[in-house]
Amino acid sequence: EVQLLESGGGLVQPGGSLRLSCAASGFTFSSYAMSWVRQAPGKGLEWVSTISGSGGSTYYADSVKGRFIISRDNSKNTLYLQMNSLRAEDTAVYYCAKPPGMATTSGSFDYWGQGTLVTVSS
Amino acid sequence: AIRMTQSPSSFSASTGDRVTITCRASQGISSYLAWYQQKPGKAPNLLIYAASTLQSGVPSRFSGSGSGTDFTLTISCLQSEDFATYYCQQYYSYPRTFGQGTKVEIK
Repeated sequence: EVQLLESGGGLVQPGGSLRLSCAASGFTFSSYAMSWVRQAPGKGLEWVSTISGSGGSTYYADSVKGRFIISRDNSKNTLYLQMNSLRAEDTAVYYCAKPPGMATTSGSFDYWGQGTLVTVSS
Repeated sequence: AIRMTQSPSSFSASTGDRVTITCRASQGISSYLAWYQQKPGKAPNLLIYAASTLQSGVPSRFSGSGSGTDFTLTISCLQSEDFATYYCQQYYSYPRTFGQGTKVEIK
């Protein structure tokens, strides 16, 4: 059974940093690109970042480019999101998500974690 | 970035109704489109991918169609558990983008 378990969320001041983790199980982690998607309170879904299975390719939304870093440790089956220079508008539930297939064209998300809340406030 | 526009943003319907939600892409995305259902406090659930392929375990009353720029999600006979918010998402290119959501409420 596929499981994705996020952790690391919490309250942080503007300008601060936070690192989210997503522990994966139930599938061959290194074979799949993995993504972060966020949802601000009462708002819609926003794709944040994707990393290839090997970790060699990364993609970011313009809203986080230069501030967030996605990475993975395939030996630990864990996905990370390092969030720096946090702003109030980064306040959201952050989900890690897995695509249905291993192909680079497989860009939908068939499994999601439960989400971890990040609140940026003074 | 490709902009995804859903319509309507919300509407009311009754159990048993046939409902259709549309999603329009600002440029052609072939069939690289997915539909999700989300209920309050829960993660999204994949319903349809590749514009018309039903995800395993999703009831057959859900169907998707379209290609290029115009897409539809149809629920053939609305059930009580279908009252939720629905999102489309393109994965033709980066950045991945979602529609703003369509909330289906009980009439």
